[in-house]
This record gives sequence, C-alpha cells and structure tokens, in this order.
Amino acid sequence: SYVLTQPPSVSVAPGKTARITCGGNNIGSKVVHWYQQTPGRAPVLVMYYDSDRPSGIPERFSGSNSGNTATLTISRVEAGDEADYYCHVWGSSNDVFFGGGTKLTVL
Amino acid sequence: EVQLVQSGAEVKKPGESLKISCKGSGYNFANYWIAWVRQMPGKGLEWMGIIYPDDSETRYSPSFAGQVTISVDKSFTTVHLQWSSLKASDSAMYYCARKSDPVVTTSPFDSWGQGTLVSVSS
Repeated sequence: SYVLTQPPSVSVAPGKTARITCGGNNIGSKVVHWYQQTPGRAPVLVMYYDSDRPSGIPERFSGSNSGNTATLTISRVEAGDEADYYCHVWGSSNDVFFGGGTKLTVL
Repeated sequence: EVQLVQSGAEVKKPGESLKISCKGSGYNFANYWIAWVRQMPGKGLEWMGIIYPDDSETRYSPSFAGQVTISVDKSFTTVHLQWSSLKASDSAMYYCARKSDPVVTTSPFDSWGQGTLVSVSS
C-alpha cells in the first residue's frame, strides 16, 4: 500500500497562485498525475508525468515532484479553476493510488 | 475521438445483483487497460481494479477483491463491473477510465466515462 496525503482544502484569491500538494514516501521517485473534478462531472487529466500538460490545459497549470512532495501549481487563478484535485501514482503491481483530494476554493 | 460511454443509473435493493458497463470507441479497444473507480457521495476517488481487454488480465484493489467482478466483452468493446449481492454501502458513482498508454506502466488515465450512479436501498 502507498499513502498519498493531500490537504483537504486550499483557498486562493483570483489572480493569485494556488499550490496543491501531494505527499508520499519518496514520491519523487514516482511519476505523479493530477486530475481536476468539478461537481457532477467526471475527473479530467490536468497534469501527467509530474509536469506535462495535456492539450487544452492552460499554461497557468504546472507541476513538480521532488523528495516527499509533488505539487500542482495554478497561477493567476480564475473562478473556473474551482474544483477538487486528485493526485495519482502507480504501485509496483499495476495498482493505483489516489490522494484524498483537495478542494480548491477561489475566494 | 476516444470515448468511454457508461450505462445508465441504477436503483437496486440490497441483495440484488448488478452489472454495469463501459463501452469504448475511437481507439483500439483491446490494447488499452480500463480501470474502475468508485466515488462515494462527497468522497474521493477509490481505485477498484483494472482489466486488459486483449487477454482479460485483471487486477483488483485489496479493498474490492472478492466484492466485485470486472470482465470484458471484446466483441462489444465493453468492460463490465458486476456485483452478486449489493449492499447499501455500494451506493456510489462508478467511473471507468482508460490508461493512456498500453506499454508504459505508469501512464495516466486520459479518458473517463461519464459515470454510473448506483443507488442501493430497501
């Protein structure tokens, strides 16, 4: 088993920078993916392999991963970024681990 | 365009059986892993298991092993999630998701179904 720890909530004013963390034992040795989920919708991939953005995801979204913490950074936050964000890593046996999710609130 | 289309919402009683589906299209269905993910009301994502359609190789999360069955019908490009005896605690939204790369073991889920809401109540 592998535990991923996310803060339950992050609040940020519009135009500021939001940083959502995902903690795990030596997570820097793994690749991390991030999903955004808005109410009533399926999750959407917003960052993969730590810091790659899928097409259609704004450049305001960036990612990093080192040591025991991976971070999804959203610059110049907009109201439309308000959502739940989940990190994801793979285990050694083709098993999947999700973080508990972080609710991003735009003040 | 890659699409995963799930079957509709279900309302069941405890003890009943259920099979929900996830139909893939727009890609070579057989060669991409499909996972099932549970989301209980107001809660986070929980991985249930994953199947490789080409040979039906399946892995289950320890939390769900023995509780559900994941299967595939390649001829209909459809993956199923099945319960033999539902419990009220199975009430949740269930998503299927496609692993983006058939070869890279750590690839992300790049496409998700729209979700199937399962409600179990007496």
